[in-house]
Amino acid sequence: DSGVTQTPKHLITATGQRVTLRCSPRSGDLSVYWYQQSLDQGLQFLIQYYNGEERAKGNILERFSAQQFPDLHSELNLSSLELGDSALYFCASSEDSFNYNSPLHFGNGTRLTVT
Amino acid sequence: SQELEQSPQSLIVQEGKNLTINCTSSKTLYGLYWYKQKYGEGLIFLMMLQKGGEEKSHEKITAKLDEKKQQSSLHITASQPSHAGIYLCGAVLSQGAQKLVFGQGTRLTINP
Repeated sequence: DSGVTQTPKHLITATGQRVTLRCSPRSGDLSVYWYQQSLDQGLQFLIQYYNGEERAKGNILERFSAQQFPDLHSELNLSSLELGDSALYFCASSEDSFNYNSPLHFGNGTRLTVT
Repeated sequence: SQELEQSPQSLIVQEGKNLTINCTSSKTLYGLYWYKQKYGEGLIFLMMLQKGGEEKSHEKITAKLDEKKQQSSLHITASQPSHAGIYLCGAVLSQGAQKLVFGQGTRLTINP
């Protein structure tokens, strides 16, 4: 158990809808990272937050947004969903802002299916 | 094309055999991380390598970083069914980068 908690485990929704994925980092970790894993694209970095502030942005669509709250949990909001958004969404956390000495610890992911 | 290429993409070995998975970068490696993923589950951190020539071992898994070749290898000795899963390498590809870039993964199957 990595200590990173993601809810829900599974989510099935229709195109055009909006969903929120939630992540609680390991106790003491200040950084949260969101990744998307699909069969064709592999594991793609979306966005990173450190202590409530956005630190880095990857291939995140404009329809997607995230935030990190004062209690350090994070939410990833996906709107106007398309079939191609179906994927496993992972949250990871690390002690500090990203550095080479601190590995990322991943949650078990939320599997999103858009029908 | 992928910045991190893993080979092979999939591997089937007999239990007890040794195997090697490679991860090659198109850019300078500033840190290399190996993770294991069971189907549909999260990534489990295995090892982190930072310096050229560095080698680390955990149980029967050994990882090595060849900085000059921009490559890392993961070697499993005397494979067991518990080693089955998807192995992913993740790397820092520029100084000061705030993210890990991952390879496509290697799917390992162990036949009894």
